[in-house]
Amino acid sequence: GENVEQHPSTLSVQEGDSAVIKCTYSDSASNYFPWYKQELGKGPQLIIDIRSNVGEKKDQRIAVTLNKTAKHFSLHITETQPEDSAVYFCAASLYSGGGADGLTFGKGTHLIIQP
Amino acid sequence: SAVISQKPSRDICQRGTSLTIQCQVDSQVTMMFWYRQQPGQSLTLIATANQGSEATYESGFVIDKFPISRPNLTFSTLTVSNMSPEDSSIYLCSVLSPTSGNEQFFGPGTRLTVL
Repeated sequence: GENVEQHPSTLSVQEGDSAVIKCTYSDSASNYFPWYKQELGKGPQLIIDIRSNVGEKKDQRIAVTLNKTAKHFSLHITETQPEDSAVYFCAASLYSGGGADGLTFGKGTHLIIQP
Repeated sequence: SAVISQKPSRDICQRGTSLTIQCQVDSQVTMMFWYRQQPGQSLTLIATANQGSEATYESGFVIDKFPISRPNLTFSTLTVSNMSPEDSSIYLCSVLSPTSGNEQFFGPGTRLTVL
């Protein structure tokens, strides 16, 4: 089955700086890679995703890059703000026309934005 | 995106008892998933619940311990049976987006403590 590794487990950055979280996956068949933000006491919130036919996707301050050959993908957050502080999870799954597998998650990164 | 609610939001139970968790979605969805998140950990897929078919369980999870119902396209239940303290976790349901087909949205979770 799929295995997703995520690094670092904790990341502390100064407000306004950039943050980068990296993940690797093992199953070359996986073709869908979402990122979730989880705040204390809440369910995970989808913030951005990328499909395997795309190398990069951007949404305002958030971007995700995918290297299919190396089987790794990364989340980039620029101009970090205090409200970005949360736990971030990467995930992978296989999506086909008839539906999708459940997600395999990384272990999470606790992002701390220092004022 | 879909709006997902779960009941109860939290509960404290005695070992040996069972708890049924409800998941309600505001739109019809084909695929629903149940995940477990142990304290401070990542999310692990328990089972996939498609309407009209038996739930499919991941390795390490069995129907006798986690029976699932999926009576219609907007509702599902997960029962945690014969509970022990090791079952203390957050239980989350998720659904595939009714429009995009591969985005997964999560409910707020049910925080279960077993004494």
